[in-house]
Amino acid sequence: AQSVTQLGSHVSVSEGALVLLRCNYSSSVPPYLFWYVQYPNQGLQLLLKYTSAATLVKGINGFEAEFKKSETSFHLTKPSAHMSDAAEYFCAVSESTGGFKTIFGAGTRLFVKA
Amino acid sequence: DTGVSQDPRHKITKRGQNVTFRCDPISEHNRLYWYRQTLGQGPEFLTYFQNEAQLEKSRLLSDRFSAERPKGSFSTLEIQRTEQGDSAMYLCASRDRPDYGYTFGSGTRLTVV
Repeated sequence: AQSVTQLGSHVSVSEGALVLLRCNYSSSVPPYLFWYVQYPNQGLQLLLKYTSAATLVKGINGFEAEFKKSETSFHLTKPSAHMSDAAEYFCAVSESTGGFKTIFGAGTRLFVKA
Repeated sequence: DTGVSQDPRHKITKRGQNVTFRCDPISEHNRLYWYRQTLGQGPEFLTYFQNEAQLEKSRLLSDRFSAERPKGSFSTLEIQRTEQGDSAMYLCASRDRPDYGYTFGSGTRLTVV
């Protein structure tokens, strides 16, 4: 069975600072990994995904994430935060075989200070 | 195609009543998923369809919950004898390959009073 742990329910950064949102996963088979973003009063939107190709994946809005198998991690980063990045971010894992349902972490709310 | 549509957007119901929600996925997507999201939590998996076949159900899905996808297109989620604990956002998502991310609908917010 797969699971996801997001470290830190809230992260606050200053505008222009590095954004780092942490995610660790557990999966009994090679995983597919995803990051989704949810802006206030909006639905979830896919930011980026890892599906066994390049370990460093780039997504929308300048975000990227690196798959580290040895650390079972898939942390999300952005070099320079913008006020518009303030949102809830969810890490998610699917198994690459079987039912393919996606399991989500509890989410990390990102605050960006001017 | 305008994405995944869910109806209604909001539903307020009295405890004990039955409610039904509808999801219209992206037409090319053969996989459809239902999730439930409560405040401050990530989406919790409820059930999954591939075409018209319901392939997996969560243990969260008690016998008061039933879902259908009769022709492999739209899906319905029914909750019978609603309880206050059923209050949540119910999300529908679809995709056509397991290595693709989901396209989510805007959700149906259920409030049980």
